[in-house]
Order: sequence, then C-alpha cells, then structure tokens
Amino acid sequence: AQTVTQSQPEMSVQEAETVTLSCTYDTSESNYYLFWYKQPPSRQMILVIRQEAYKQQNATENRFSVNFQKAAKSFSLKISDSQLGDTAMYFCAFMTMDSNYQLIWGAGTKLIIKP
Amino acid sequence: DGGITQSPKYLFRKEGQNVTLSCEQNLNHDAMYWYRQDPGQGLRLIYYSQIVNDFQKGDIAEGYSVSREKKESFPLTVTSAQKNPTAFYLCASSIAVSTDTQYFGPGTRLTVL
Repeated sequence: AQTVTQSQPEMSVQEAETVTLSCTYDTSESNYYLFWYKQPPSRQMILVIRQEAYKQQNATENRFSVNFQKAAKSFSLKISDSQLGDTAMYFCAFMTMDSNYQLIWGAGTKLIIKP
Repeated sequence: DGGITQSPKYLFRKEGQNVTLSCEQNLNHDAMYWYRQDPGQGLRLIYYSQIVNDFQKGDIAEGYSVSREKKESFPLTVTSAQKNPTAFYLCASSIAVSTDTQYFGPGTRLTVL
C-alpha cells in the first residue's frame, strides 16, 4: 500500500525562525509527484510547493523549500524566516500512475508561529 | 476571478435526510474531485470525475452520490445511507486527472443533528 507519514503532529517556533516539517512516503514506483499543501484556520487548502521525483533539484518557492531524498523516501519542507501567517496545518501528499494519479495524503502537522 | 466555489459554507442536516453540496469552478478544468476531511486524518477521496458525464468512485464512496452534467459543476449528495456524515468536505479541480496540480475550494462543514 502507498502511504504518507508525517511524524510531527504539532510544532511551534518563534517568528523569524526556520522550521522543518518531515514527511516520509512509501511507494514502489520510480516516478511520482510530491506536494506540500497548507491549510490555514480558514480551512482553504493551498498549494505550497510541488516536486517531480525525476528532478534531482529541490523545489523552492520564496521562503519555502524542500529536501527531497529519493532513496530515503523523504520529502521535508523547510520554512525560512517564518511569519505569523504561516500558522496552519501542513499536509504532505503524493501521486503516482499506480494510484491512478490520486493524491495520497499524510495526516498533517499543525504549525504554530509565535510572536 | 478564476477559482472554485463551494456552497454553503456550513450545512446542518437531520438524520435520515439527503443533502447536496455544491461545487463550481470557472478554471476550465476537466477533472474535479470530492474529498472528506476528519480531525487528525488526511484527506480521503470520495468521487472524482475526469470529464462531463463520467465519474469514478474513490476510497470512501459508500453513502455518497455525484453527477457531472456540466464541466463547471460537480455536486455531491450525502445520502441517508452515509453512517457518519459529519465532516468537512473539500472540492478540488485540475486540468486533467494526471500529474496536474489540484486546486481546492473553501470547503463545506456538514453537521448532522
């Protein structure tokens, strides 16, 4: 079975600090797509970053970057210079051809940024 | 403004009633999805549609039904057969059912009284 594990149910850091959220996944496929979504208190699910497994270069989007370790099946999200607006649930997800391109989701990490 | 809208934001249902949740998109996407979100869990797929007049069951389709008569619209009916319908429901769309990114609506909170 294809699964996603987010081992940190909740984290909190001070504003302006850097925080890393962990995600591991399990699949036997070699080509797949990984995502981090953010769900703030409004509950709107927002795409943060996307990574194609065939690309060795780690994806970045402004203050958000990933550390993609394919052999270890790890896909962590780093948030630099954290801001109060980063407070949200963060979900890791991936899709493969084997899953018929359906997203498989982790249970989420609640991130709290303290002033 | 392009995007996905869901209505209503909050919905209350008495046991034994069917209710329909609306999802509309003006992104010209072919694919649409319905997910259910429960506390402490990841999203679970209920139904998805690749194209008009076609839809497929997801992991937890029992007690739900959908239709796709128009490209823009993908309503979800929660029937009385759904044993535990209280949850947050999210609709999403993508260009196609492929590696395209899925974009989400704001969600509907359904509570059974």
